[in-house]
Order: sequence, then C-alpha cells, then structure tokens
Amino acid sequence: AQTVTQSQPEMSVQEAETVTLSCTYDTSESNYYLFWYKQPPSRQMILVIRQEAYKQQNATENRFSVNFQKAAKSFSLKISDSQLGDTAMYFCAFMIEMNYGGSQGNLIFGKGTKLSVKP
Amino acid sequence: DTAVSQTPKYLVTQMGNDKSIKCEQNLGHDTMYWYKQDSKKFLKIMFSYNNKELIINETVPNRFSPKSPDKAHLNLHINSLELGDSAVYFCASSQVSGLGSYNEQFFGPGTRLTVL
Repeated sequence: AQTVTQSQPEMSVQEAETVTLSCTYDTSESNYYLFWYKQPPSRQMILVIRQEAYKQQNATENRFSVNFQKAAKSFSLKISDSQLGDTAMYFCAFMIEMNYGGSQGNLIFGKGTKLSVKP
Repeated sequence: DTAVSQTPKYLVTQMGNDKSIKCEQNLGHDTMYWYKQDSKKFLKIMFSYNNKELIINETVPNRFSPKSPDKAHLNLHINSLELGDSAVYFCASSQVSGLGSYNEQFFGPGTRLTVL
C-alpha cells in the first residue's frame, strides 16, 4: 500500500522569504506521479505542481519548485518570495501511473501542512 | 463556465436521513471521483468511476453509493446518515485514457455536510 507522510503540521514564514515543505512517501511501484495541492480558506483544491517519477529534472512553476529524491522517496516543495496569498493548507499527493494495477488515478494524500505567511 | 461543480455547497441534516450530493463536470473527462475530507483535513478517496468500472474504497460503508446518470455526472447518495459522516465531500474529474489523457485532477468546490 502507498502512504504519504507530511511531518510538519504547521509552518509559518515571513512575506518575501523562502519556505520548504517536506513530504515523504512509500511505495513499491516504479511508475507514479507526485503532486502538491493547495487548499486556501476558500476550500478549493488547487494543483500547485506535478512531478513524473520517471523525470529526473525537478519540476518548477514560477515561485514553486520541488526537490524530488526518488531513491529517498522524498518530494519537498519550495516556495520562494512567499506572498500573503500563499497562506493555505498544502497537501502532498501520490498517484500510481494510470493503467497500472487497475488504477484509475486515485490520489493518495498526506495529512497536510498548514502554512501561514506573515506580513 | 465552472469546470467541476457540486450542489449543494452546504448541507445540514438530521441523523438517519438520506441525502444526495450532485457533481457535474464540463471538461469532457472520462473519470470522476469522490473524496472525503474529515475534520482534521485528511482527504481520502471514496470512489473512482468511469464508464466501464466503479472502484470502491473498501473502507467506505455501503450506505454510500455513487450514481452516474451520464458521463458528465457522478452523484453521491448517502443513506441513514450518521454523525461520523459529517465532513467535506469533494468531487473531482480527470482524463484517464486515450488522446489527451493526463494526470491532473480538477476538483469541485466541496460540499460541507453536517449531520446533527
């Protein structure tokens, strides 16, 4: 069974600074995807960034980047130049590559990290 | 032009009642999902469904049943509601197979269910 662990229940960062959120996962699969989702107080789930396990290059999306260490099963999210609007719950999620083992793309989530950006 | 919509956004009901939450997606996706987010914010898959197969998380009580009248809709029916069913329920969709398949799931806004 796949598991996702986020060891930091809460974090805070000053506006304009950089923060890193940790995520580790456990799987015996070799083909999978990793995601970071953001859930602001509005409750909407928003995809922040995605990483394919077969890609060695770390994904980046503007101020968001990941450090993907496949051997260590680690997938951390770095937020640069933090903004007040980054205040949210952040969820790390894992998905087996579709069409493997009957998966239809179910996301397995970590318990989340509550990030507060302070002015 | 909301991609994934859910109704209602809030639902307050008494124990023992039967209720439904509706979900619609206008993205043309072939697979839809229901997730439950509990009071500690933990999100867990309940069902995934495409026009061929329903996959049920084994931990979901059989009081919960998804019903899909067509490819764009996946409604969630809950019978004999219990206090522990109080949660936020999210619908999502993605394109799993064929041309244009990718791995992003688009989520609805969620339905907060409160059972009294």
